[in-house]
Amino acid sequence: DAGITQSPRHKVTETGTPVTLRCHQTENHRYMYWYRQDPGHGLRLIHYSYGVKDTDKGEVSDGYSVSRSKTEDFLLTLESATSSQTSVYFCAISDAGSPLHFGNGTRLTVT
Amino acid sequence: GENVEQHPSTLSVQEGDSAVIKCTYSDSASNYFPWYKQELGKGPQLIIDIRSNVGEKKDQRIAVTLNKTAKHFSLHITETQPEDSAVYFCAASFGGNEKLTFGTGTRLTIIP
Repeated sequence: DAGITQSPRHKVTETGTPVTLRCHQTENHRYMYWYRQDPGHGLRLIHYSYGVKDTDKGEVSDGYSVSRSKTEDFLLTLESATSSQTSVYFCAISDAGSPLHFGNGTRLTVT
Repeated sequence: GENVEQHPSTLSVQEGDSAVIKCTYSDSASNYFPWYKQELGKGPQLIIDIRSNVGEKKDQRIAVTLNKTAKHFSLHITETQPEDSAVYFCAASFGGNEKLTFGTGTRLTIIP
């Protein structure tokens, strides 16, 4: 798993509550990414980071924010969770010119 | 933006036979085409990738072919084994990984 740990692995939360997912890497890679995976949609990029405190939006960023205060940690926050954010969330890492390596995912259910 | 279509969505193959998964892309500028394998409960794992300056690449029982003119690329798995059962994703991009567009996945089942 290329030294990537996602936490928690499973979470159930209620609509309207804030949720933070964590991605921790031990590879010292520059780039980190958050994807969501939904049936019929494959993997879609939410946000990514190209360095400490440097982040940018992906294809489906509405309703999500991210922070990266250290090279090894990338946090994904749902400020006010909605049922449409029920999904499996994957963190990935890479260095310049190298392929993506994914973590094992967090399954989030918003009730 | 880029659009990647992947077919079939499900595929069942007798053990020992070959499996082929096909993807088409829309952006003629795309130049990087990776394939990922995802086992149950795990994240996708890169199994092979190809760049647009190469028409074919092989790694043991796995091969990828690229037709730039037709804008399609395919994954070929020969002598399939039960451990090949998984969901496979293709992707395409021009530029960095943040520009990768994924297909919708193919669930491959190997029948013993």
